[in-house]
Amino acid sequence: SQTIHQWPATLVQPVGSPLSLECTVEGTSNPNLYWYRQAAGRGLQLLFYSVGIGQISSEVPQNLSASRPQDRQFILSSKKLLLSDSGFYLCAWKRQGNTEAFFGQGTRLTVV
Amino acid sequence: SQQGEEDPQALSIQEGENATMNCSYKTSINNLQWYRQNSGRGLVHLILIRSNEREKHSGRLRVTLDTSKKSSSLLITASRAADTASYFCATDNSNYQLIWGAGTKLIIKP
Repeated sequence: SQTIHQWPATLVQPVGSPLSLECTVEGTSNPNLYWYRQAAGRGLQLLFYSVGIGQISSEVPQNLSASRPQDRQFILSSKKLLLSDSGFYLCAWKRQGNTEAFFGQGTRLTVV
Repeated sequence: SQQGEEDPQALSIQEGENATMNCSYKTSINNLQWYRQNSGRGLVHLILIRSNEREKHSGRLRVTLDTSKKSSSLLITASRAADTASYFCATDNSNYQLIWGAGTKLIIKP
């Protein structure tokens, strides 16, 4: 069966510090991978998606970047965090084609 | 961009009652999906209905799709306290992305 791991669950970082959130998928190959941010009580904002190794599409200009160094690994990064980067970050994967998405448990990031 | 729009934004009902949530969208779709999110957790897929389907059931869930009106509804019958969560619709238009609504927050009162 397929599983998705996202860590850490919570993170408190000072303004100006770097960020690295990692997401890995097991049990499938060549998944589409996604990073979302969710503000409190709101829907999901797509940040990045990837359809293959090294292929990253950015939806929103921002202080963040993403990388896919391996087929089932997706990393969300920042060189210098801003207060506005605080939020709930979700990683997800789906198979190619019109299928459902599977989500990690999310990372609550607080920038102080 | 957000395509799906759920209503109501919040819904509070007594345990045992039925809960109905609606979703509207703007462009043509391949399928529409419903997800549940417990507070502070990831989303869990509930049901997928394809554009050529009109109704689908899964346990206590019933989903309808009206492509002429670009709308869908999610009915949860005989609600339970454990159904308390936020519910999101998402449309799949083959652009590698799911387009999400803002969600309906459902509270089931014991």
